[in-house]
Amino acid sequence: DTGVSQDPRHKITKRGQNVTFRCDPISEHNRLYWYRQTLGQGPEFLTYFQNEAQLEKSRLLSDRFSAERPKGSFSTLEIQRTEQGDSAMYLCASSLGLPKNIQYFGAGTRLSVL
Amino acid sequence: DQQVKQNSPSLSVQEGRISILNCDYTNSMFDYFLWYKKYPAEGPTFLISISSIKDKNEDGRFTVFLNKSAKHLSLHIVPSQPGDSAVYFCAASAIHETSGSRLTFGEGTQLTVNP
Repeated sequence: DTGVSQDPRHKITKRGQNVTFRCDPISEHNRLYWYRQTLGQGPEFLTYFQNEAQLEKSRLLSDRFSAERPKGSFSTLEIQRTEQGDSAMYLCASSLGLPKNIQYFGAGTRLSVL
Repeated sequence: DQQVKQNSPSLSVQEGRISILNCDYTNSMFDYFLWYKKYPAEGPTFLISISSIKDKNEDGRFTVFLNKSAKHLSLHIVPSQPGDSAVYFCAASAIHETSGSRLTFGEGTQLTVNP
């Protein structure tokens, strides 16, 4: 039973650098979500894919952020010109969709921007 | 605009007793509610959910109650075990929106179950 997999688990980068994270969802799940979590808060929605189509983006997702899901399988989240405020846990989740849309989360990628 | 709120940052209970975690929401469009448990260095793990057409759902030691008129839900864990010690997140979604049913989370409650 393979769950949602995220890579890397930890990323330390210098301000201004670009970083890319990968998420491999549960294989039969057609929906994929990215969330961001900061200390003391719950996860906040960033963006959502149904198969390969990116259908929704949060206002939190500035133009420095881009996400892709080629062929509707794995997804990547890229942050360009990182800032210290980007330091957070980036969580990926996948689901089968309706009727319940229970989302299953990966372990996350912890980003530290120095 | 915090649409889902968990007003207790922490809760401490004795092993074997009941743990009650509370959650309030403001958005009347929410029609599906979930509880997740999170251990350090892991992602949130799904525990139990409830649709707005129900007022109670049970799964083993876990029961979720929903009071739609009060926009309030609670998670009961009985009996509590030390392994239940974790952060618990309440989450809500509007299943029937076309938006993909994003989850809106509360801030979390740290539950500590003492042996």
